[in-house]
Formats: sequence, structure tokens, C-alpha cells
Amino acid sequence: KAGVTQTPRYLIKTRGQQVTLSCSPISGHRSVSWYQQTPGQGLQFLFEYFSETQRNKGNFPGRFSGRQFSNSRSEMNVSTLELGDSALYLCASSFDLTSYEQYFGPGTRLTVT
Amino acid sequence: SQQGEEDPQALSIQEGENATMNCSYKTSINNLQWYRQNSGRGLVHLILIRSNEREKHSGRLRVTLDTSKKSSSLLITASRAADTASYFCATGSGNTGKLIFGQGTTLQVKP
Repeated sequence: KAGVTQTPRYLIKTRGQQVTLSCSPISGHRSVSWYQQTPGQGLQFLFEYFSETQRNKGNFPGRFSGRQFSNSRSEMNVSTLELGDSALYLCASSFDLTSYEQYFGPGTRLTVT
Repeated sequence: SQQGEEDPQALSIQEGENATMNCSYKTSINNLQWYRQNSGRGLVHLILIRSNEREKHSGRLRVTLDTSKKSSSLLITASRAADTASYFCATGSGNTGKLIFGQGTTLQVKP
């Protein structure tokens, strides 16, 4: 099976812009989670989606949003970008909510200038 | 927010030696997992141990879990240069895929 794919892999944006990141889970996986990784804060949970519904949300401002489509693909959007949003954004998929093992994609490296 | 601490933050050993990393967490869990990350890339799942298990093995990996002390350890035996990476523990609870990660241990294995 193909692994989790994330696009784009690298992105450079300017403060105030918005960005959309995409994640395609492993075929058959219905749960998708997003994480932000920064040197200062480490790996932090953003949100979790299952069957097109947000099941869980981390402690991030409303500028961070996401959605999941009927084919389980997911997107996350960050509006009004700030310098502090520069990070590696990781997507992970699992079969369902009780399949604890997560399979991570390679990440999208976002740089905000 | 981070679940807890990982110890040590950095570890440098010679090839063939064993590497031990420790993880502590704060809240009750139903599983604890260890992941490896190479140079800012994606995370690779190594091993999962459930809260009712005390020890688990996978190849050269051995994980222990002590729920009374809210701590876990990862032992990599006979380390190789290819084991050089950052290692993260992550805890899960409830019917959710949400993971809370530790700060990670950076392991360098010298050939």
C-alpha cells in the first residue's frame, strides 16, 4: 500500500497570507490527524478527523482549520499567517479511532517570512 | 501541551552499544507508543504498548511500561549507525487517535 502523502512538501508564504495543506491517508484508513512540529514547542496536536467530522481539536487559534472529504483525504488551512506558524506540519492516518497506531506522512515544511 | 519529559535529551554512543531512553507522562493512558524521526522528516512508528502490558519486544527494541510511575523506557540493543535519529514517546487515551508527544531524545550512533 502507498503511504500517507502530503502536498506540497515545501512552502514559503508571507505574513498575512493563507495556506492550504493537503493529506492523503493510506487507502482504507478513515482517521486523519494533523500535528505541528516546531523546535520550541515540539510536536503538538492540531485536529483529528473521522468520517468527515472533526473529533478532536488541539489548543490552536481559530486561524487553524481543517476538513475531511468523503474519500478520507484531508486539508488544513491556516489564515492570516504569522511568523510563528513556520513549522513542519505532519499528517497521520489510522484505520479508525480505536487503531492507536498512527502512520505519518513526510510532512509539509511551511516557512512564513 | 507536552505530556511529559524524555530523558536524556541527547545520547551519543558507539555502534554495537545499547541505547536506553526514558519517557514520563502525566495523565492516565490506554497506550504508549514510540516513534523515530530522521532529520525533520515524517515519524516512523516503532512499537506500541498498551496500558495493561508491562513489556514488549520487537526485533532489537524492548519497551517497558510502568503505569504506577507513569513512565516508559525504550531500549535499542546492538545499535547501528542507521539508528541515528530522534526518538519520541507518545501517549494515547480514550477512543481517539490524538497523541501527546514527549520532547524527544536525539540519538547519535557513531560508527
